[in-house]
Amino acid sequence: DIQMTQSPSTLSASVGNRVTITCRASQSISNWLAWYQQKPGKAPKLLIYKASSLESGVPSRFSGSGSGTEFTLTISSLQPDDFATYYCQHYNSYSWTFGQGTKVEIK
Amino acid sequence: EMHLLESGGGLVQPGGSLGLSCAASGFTFSSFAMSWVRQAPGKGLEWVSTISGSGGNTYSADSVKGRFAISRDNSKNTLYLQMNSLRAEDTAVYYCAKEDDQSDAFDIWGQGTMVTVSS
Repeated sequence: DIQMTQSPSTLSASVGNRVTITCRASQSISNWLAWYQQKPGKAPKLLIYKASSLESGVPSRFSGSGSGTEFTLTISSLQPDDFATYYCQHYNSYSWTFGQGTKVEIK
Repeated sequence: EMHLLESGGGLVQPGGSLGLSCAASGFTFSSFAMSWVRQAPGKGLEWVSTISGSGGNTYSADSVKGRFAISRDNSKNTLYLQMNSLRAEDTAVYYCAKEDDQSDAFDIWGQGTMVTVSS
């Protein structure tokens, strides 16, 4: 099975900061990677699909990049609404695997 | 507007059974694969099971294989998860999610329903 490893597990940042979260796959997954945002007590929300495509309605300060085994989610200028937990997710052969999550906290 | 609404969660004893439902609206339900994803308290997301649009193909995580069964009724726009032989480690919020057919990502999620397995 392909394993997805996110780093860091927790990130402290201030409003306006540029934030980068990394997701690494245990083997090449091409660009079959999605990113989700989850706030406490709420369902996850799709941000990015196919590694770099922005979901409709998601602010342009969010961007995704990477292919193969290393991927990044970047928030260009952190806003108060962005403090949340972020998950990467991979689909392969009728199995979906999530990373363990990265919590973005207020510094 | 596309919408998913789960129901059926609750408290069940270890070894017991419980059935969850997810009512869909705002899209052509039968055209899309649907999934269940769960989240144990304070933990991350775990994919549970997926069913194709027609209902003819189902896929499940090893952790629930043989105990949980996913199904759908396209005439009722409803997704189901029948959970048997429940264990304490099945305690979680269970979300239903719609799969985008171009990216295989989960683009629409329900609000979740809590399942607690405890004596």
